[in-house]
Amino acid sequence: LAKTTQPISMDSYEGQEVNITCSHNNIATNDYITWYQQFPSQGPRFIIQGYKTKVTNEVASLFIPADRKSSTLSLPRVSLSDTAVYYCLVGKGDDKIIFGKGTRLHILP
Amino acid sequence: EAGVTQSPTHLIKTRGQQATLRCSPISGHTSVYWYQQALGLGLQFLLWYDEGEERNRGNFPPRFSGRQFPNYSSELNVNALELEDSALYLCASSLEGTGEYGYTFGSGTRLTVV
Repeated sequence: LAKTTQPISMDSYEGQEVNITCSHNNIATNDYITWYQQFPSQGPRFIIQGYKTKVTNEVASLFIPADRKSSTLSLPRVSLSDTAVYYCLVGKGDDKIIFGKGTRLHILP
Repeated sequence: EAGVTQSPTHLIKTRGQQATLRCSPISGHTSVYWYQQALGLGLQFLLWYDEGEERNRGNFPPRFSGRQFPNYSSELNVNALELEDSALYLCASSLEGTGEYGYTFGSGTRLTVV
């Protein structure tokens, strides 16, 4: 399972776009990249998943370069309620899922 | 559609006792994963069950065990509880263990060992 590296924490302001980058240098050919959001005392919530190029849904975009060695989660116009821990996972699911330390995103008014 | 449900929500046990935590996956999901999250820390992988079989196990002592039933629900048992077992225990489910469409987590069971 590919190891991931993310910034430990980030601060931003309401209304801004936030980009969180995850490095996964040893990603395998058939690995997917998945991002989760976790609030205190709750289970992680699926945000977005991609394999290559760009994926967009109603809450976020995921940018994946051609070499797939990194990915960037983009949250448009964040609000205070986006304050949470964000995890990047890489794998194809037929192995134990390893969560890294995640990125603590703090949105300021 | 019901999500992943876990019970109980909270559980208080004394050191040395046994705890049993339960998880019902999303209908149609055959894989169940268990995680431990101590306060303020990351998620530590415990166990993965698929089609009734244990597929993988994290670095936890044997007193952490579980099983998956024919209806794909799962149970996590923790024997000889220690104070450091106090944590949020999370269950997740997915289709056939592929994870291709992501894992869905329950809200967890908060276990407190006193």
